Amino acid sequence: QVQLQESGPGLVKPSQTLSLTCTVSGGSISNGDYYWSWIRQPPGKGLEWIGYIYYSGSTYYNPSLKSPVTISVDTSKNQFSLKVSSVTAADTAVYFCARVGDSRPGYYIDYWGQGTLVTVSS
Amino acid sequence: QSALTQPASVSESPGQSITISCTGTSSDVGAYNFVSWYQQHPGKAPKLMVYDVTNRPSGVSNRFSGSKSGNTASLTISGLQAEDEADYYCSSYTSSSNLVVFGGGTKLTVL
Repeated sequence: QVQLQESGPGLVKPSQTLSLTCTVSGGSISNGDYYWSWIRQPPGKGLEWIGYIYYSGSTYYNPSLKSPVTISVDTSKNQFSLKVSSVTAADTAVYFCARVGDSRPGYYIDYWGQGTLVTVSS
Repeated sequence: QSALTQPASVSESPGQSITISCTGTSSDVGAYNFVSWYQQHPGKAPKLMVYDVTNRPSGVSNRFSGSKSGNTASLTISGLQAEDEADYYCSSYTSSSNLVVFGGGTKLTVL
């Protein structure tokens, strides 16, 4: 059974960088069968896709996001990470890491992390 | 504003059936059979209920079924139970640079 766990600071100051890591257990990121994703949900609002990454480092990002985003992968640690730069209050959200149930990006999410709330505030 | 349109809320009595709609365009729902549905209880992560329009993951009750007609996908829940009360989100692959679009979510109340 695949499990994903987000970790990182719960509070980030405006204009700083939000950094989160997702640790995957029960499966290997580097077997190439799946894409991996970050999705966020502002309090009381709907889901917003942030981006995808493949074990090779290939990435896709949501062009609608206002803050610059970088997703990276560390196959030796079976982890992938998210950085959101120059954050504002609009980046306050629960951030989920997730597995795409296919080797192509844009398809359904079959496993989700529990989510971690990140608040942007001074 | 979400790319896919869902009703904000629906309600029905236990034991009854309900259908939640998800309307997109010819670039997403209408173009691909890659619509998925997620159930989210308060404070929890979403759970995949239906994928590729009609398929149910292992372990999901057969009371949940999906369909599609044109640019609109639907999730039908039959024999409503109290535990079905949750938010439901649809999602679709899209030919735009976004790759994936979500609906705004529907709050299901089981009266």
